[in-house]
Amino acid sequence: GENVEQHPSTLSVQEGDSAVIKCTYSDSASNYFPWYKQELGKRPQLIIDIRSNVGEKKDQRIAVTLNKTAKHFSLHITETQPEDSAVYFCAASLYNNNDMRFGAGTRLTVKP
Amino acid sequence: NAGVTQTPKFQVLKTGQSMTLQCAQDMNHNSMYWYRQDPGMGLRLIYYSASEGTTDKGEVPNGYNVSRLNKREFSLRLESAAPSQTSVYFCASAQGQSQETQYFGPGTRLLVL
Repeated sequence: GENVEQHPSTLSVQEGDSAVIKCTYSDSASNYFPWYKQELGKRPQLIIDIRSNVGEKKDQRIAVTLNKTAKHFSLHITETQPEDSAVYFCAASLYNNNDMRFGAGTRLTVKP
Repeated sequence: NAGVTQTPKFQVLKTGQSMTLQCAQDMNHNSMYWYRQDPGMGLRLIYYSASEGTTDKGEVPNGYNVSRLNKREFSLRLESAAPSQTSVYFCASAQGQSQETQYFGPGTRLLVL
């Protein structure tokens, strides 16, 4: 089955700096890559996703890039704010959601 | 519109006891999922239901059973709880199966002694 690795496990940045979280996947057939944000004690919530037919997607301060050849994808957060502090999970799946595999998570801390 | 709800929020069990975790969604979604979340391991799929009346195993199904009672409700049962099942359990739902946003419930924290 699919295996997703996520790095780093913890990341600390100063407010206003950029943050980058990277994930690799093993199954070249995977074609859907969502990112979820989980604040302390809360439920995971989708923040952005990308499909294999595009290489980059942006939504305000958040962007995701995908390199299918290298089988890795990354989350980029610019102009970080304290409210960006959370655990971020990447995931990968084939055509359907029924075998979504998640990375182990990255704990992002944004220092004011 | 409550979204996805779960009960209970927290439960303590002794080894060998049984319990059922309840999940309901009011978004008319077809697909529902049960995950467990353990420190340093992300979310792992236990079981899923692609539609009312169907259920299938996920990545870590051993020790669990599920029931898709109707379109709204999807329950997870532990027949004989073990300490290894101490975890946070999340239910999720999605409109379909095809690369669609999964909406998560608030989670159930389970401690098995």
